[in-house]
Amino acid sequence: KAGVTQTPRYLIKTRGQQVTLSCSPISGHRSVSWYQQTPGQGLQFLFEYFSETQRNKGNFPGRFSGRQFSNSRSEMNVSTLELGDSALYLCASSFRQANTEAFFGQGTRLTVV
Amino acid sequence: GQQLNQSPQSMFIQEGEDVSMNCTSSSIFNTWLWYKQDPGEGPVLLIALYKAGELTSNGRLTAQFGITRKDSFLNISASIPSDVGIYFCAGHRAGGTSYGKLTFGQGTILTVHP
Repeated sequence: KAGVTQTPRYLIKTRGQQVTLSCSPISGHRSVSWYQQTPGQGLQFLFEYFSETQRNKGNFPGRFSGRQFSNSRSEMNVSTLELGDSALYLCASSFRQANTEAFFGQGTRLTVV
Repeated sequence: GQQLNQSPQSMFIQEGEDVSMNCTSSSIFNTWLWYKQDPGEGPVLLIALYKAGELTSNGRLTAQFGITRKDSFLNISASIPSDVGIYFCAGHRAGGTSYGKLTFGQGTILTVHP
């Protein structure tokens, strides 16, 4: 069974630009959550989607958004990029909503210059 | 944002030694999870704990859900070089604004000398 797939693996963007990251969950998993990982703040929850609906959101500005499609795939978007948005963005999938056995993808390393 | 207090921050041990790390919180969690992360990779789930007092093993790994539901422990026995990595605890609190959200510790960096 394939794991969680995130694309792209690496991304370099300029301040002010926007970026879209993609996540394909494990087959059959319907919940997708996103986390930001930085050396200073560690792993921080961004949001969780289940059945195409955002069920919970972390303390991030409105520049961070996401969506989930009917096939459970998810995308997250960051607009007006800032240098501080440089981080590893991780997607995790679970079978049920708030099923805490969350399985992570390899992440997308975003560098903002 | 809120994070769990994980200690120690780093450990340097000899191959074959046992390792212990723990996580504490001022709040109660309903689930405790332990993950391992290798450089450039996403965290890999090692053990999940669902009941206060629960003791669960996965090979050389053993984890416990604290009785107070505010802490958890992970032990690695007879460490080997491939145990090197960063270990994270994570807690889940059911209900309300915490639903579906994992709160993570800052991680324990484990180095194993052959």
